[in-house]
Amino acid sequence: GENVEQHPSTLSVQEGDSAVIKCTYSDSASNYFPWYKQELGKRPQLIIDIRSNVGEKKDQRIAVTLNKTAKHFSLHITETQPEDSAVYFCAASRDSSASKIIFGSGTRLSIRP
Amino acid sequence: DVKVTQSSRYLVKRTGEKVFLECVQDMDHENMFWYRQDPGLGLRLIYFSYDVKMKEKGDIPEGYSVSREKKERFSLILESASTNQTSMYLCASSLSQGASYEQYFGPGTRLTVT
Repeated sequence: GENVEQHPSTLSVQEGDSAVIKCTYSDSASNYFPWYKQELGKRPQLIIDIRSNVGEKKDQRIAVTLNKTAKHFSLHITETQPEDSAVYFCAASRDSSASKIIFGSGTRLSIRP
Repeated sequence: DVKVTQSSRYLVKRTGEKVFLECVQDMDHENMFWYRQDPGLGLRLIYFSYDVKMKEKGDIPEGYSVSREKKERFSLILESASTNQTSMYLCASSLSQGASYEQYFGPGTRLTVT
């Protein structure tokens, strides 16, 4: 079945350094790729998303890149701060109104002071 | 501001009991979803609904059923709770059209089955 693989499962970086989380997907018809952030004890929230007609999207310190040929996409966080500590989920779906989203297994990011 | 609420934050039930988890959204969203979240497994889709009285199986529907009688409410039912259904359950809703398919999540229900 459709699958999204996410790596690494845990990531620890020094405050101020960059963090990169990578995902691959199996359904070649996928064309919508959101990223969600879940802080401890809170609900997941969308932080950025990208569609397949775009190769890269940036929003302040976060950026997402997409390689449709290789079926992988990545989240980049620059100048990390303590509030970036959270679990991050990538996801993929077909761009249709009733389509379900397949989530990756999550990456626990810790920022060391 | 979208609000998705769930009936309970914490729930403890006994094996074999019938369990109802309720989710309500106030933004007139067409799509509603039920996930369970377990450590290392991410968010796994149990069922989703794209319209009133419509439902589709997700990746792990076994042991669960759902009901959507009104647009704003989506219920998850565990017909006979088992210990392997101990988990965090998250409800979400989204629009079916527009520039974004952002899913808005509820606060979650932590269910323990003993």
